Amino acid sequence: DIQMTQAPSTLSASVGDRVTITCRASQSISSWLAWYQQKPGKAPKLLIYKASSLESGVPSRFSGSGSGTEFSLTISGLQPDDFATYYCQHYSSYSLFTFGPGTKVDIK
Amino acid sequence: EVQLVESGGGLVQPGGSLRLSCAASGFTFSTYGMNWVRQAPGKGLEWVSYISTSGSAISYADSVKGRFTISRDNAKNSLYLQMNSLRAEDTAVYYCARAMTTLQNAFDIWGQGTMVTVSS
Repeated sequence: DIQMTQAPSTLSASVGDRVTITCRASQSISSWLAWYQQKPGKAPKLLIYKASSLESGVPSRFSGSGSGTEFSLTISGLQPDDFATYYCQHYSSYSLFTFGPGTKVDIK
Repeated sequence: EVQLVESGGGLVQPGGSLRLSCAASGFTFSTYGMNWVRQAPGKGLEWVSYISTSGSAISYADSVKGRFTISRDNAKNSLYLQMNSLRAEDTAVYYCARAMTTLQNAFDIWGQGTMVTVSS
């Protein structure tokens, strides 16, 4: 089974900061990776799919990169609405899905 | 408006059963794969099960295999999760989520979730 890890587990940042979250797969997953944002008490929201494709309606300050085993989510110019927990997810054509453990972005 | 609404959660004793439902609206339900994802209190997201458009392809997480059954009724625009032999560790908010496309099956639409508590 493919395992997903994320770093850091918690990130303290200020409004306007550029922040980067890393996600690693235990084996190559090509670009089969998505990123989600989740706020307390709410359902997750899709931000990025196919490692770097921005979901419709998501602000352009969010960007994704990477392929193979190493991926990153970057927020360029953190906004107050961006304080949340972020999850990466491997998805496959074999209909198996694995989420990373999450990265909480909180206010410094 | 594209929407998923879960129902059927509640308190159940260990070893008991529960059936969750997810009502879809605002899109052609029969053309999308669907999933169940759960989140234990204070924990991360865990994918539970997937079903293809016609129901011909189904997959489960190892943690629920043999105990949970996913199904769908395209005529009723509904997704279901039959949960048997429930354990304390199944306590979680259960979300239904739509797979974007057959090829890019990230989860683009989510319901609000329904809480399942397994406790005596």
